[in-house]
Amino acid sequence: EPEVTQTPSHQVTQMGQEVILRCVPISNHLYFYWYRQILGQKVEFLVSFYNNEISEKSEIFDDQFSVERPDGSNFTLKIRSTKLEDSAMYFCASSSGGEWETQYFGPGTRLLVL
Amino acid sequence: GQNIDQPTEMTATEGAIVQINCTYQTSGFNGLFWYQQHAGEAPTFLSYNVLDGLEEKGRFSSFLSRSKGYSYLLLKELQMKDSASYLCAVRDSNYQLIWGAGTKLIIKP
Repeated sequence: EPEVTQTPSHQVTQMGQEVILRCVPISNHLYFYWYRQILGQKVEFLVSFYNNEISEKSEIFDDQFSVERPDGSNFTLKIRSTKLEDSAMYFCASSSGGEWETQYFGPGTRLLVL
Repeated sequence: GQNIDQPTEMTATEGAIVQINCTYQTSGFNGLFWYQQHAGEAPTFLSYNVLDGLEEKGRFSSFLSRSKGYSYLLLKELQMKDSASYLCAVRDSNYQLIWGAGTKLIIKP
């Protein structure tokens, strides 16, 4: 069964450093998402991406964040200058599109900012 | 503001039935999802309701009442592996998923 994959599974970085989190969505999916979940807290929407551009973004997704689909398979989230409060699990999800389609989640990248 | 409420934690016995409730107040409604999340893992899709009524999928069923802003997830014949958090999420008018904090379900033998 096709699945969303994410790399790395864990990332430790120093405050102020840039990180890039990578995702390979399910191949025939058209909509891509990033979410984060701070330990013990609820899942929070960051951004959705369709047709090579951001379709929606939340208040969390400020100028420090960017997303890119550099080729036909990868979908990346970049955090330019990490802060301690960026420490969280970051989930990528994809859906095949259409109004009623379900989002399928990758296994997540656990980011720790020291 | 947008709000989704679920109980924080519930306990049930192996083999029994449990109902997890979710109430929501969102800007628009384009469907309600239930996801299961084991500790440290990604949410996995369980069910989706967009029309009022009951959707059944094996041991799991989900109910929706749009007029009441209410849903429940019903789990039957509970197994130890059902111990997890159950997340209610509503897709709003912008097609964004708004998430509840999750209900931690503890199954006892």
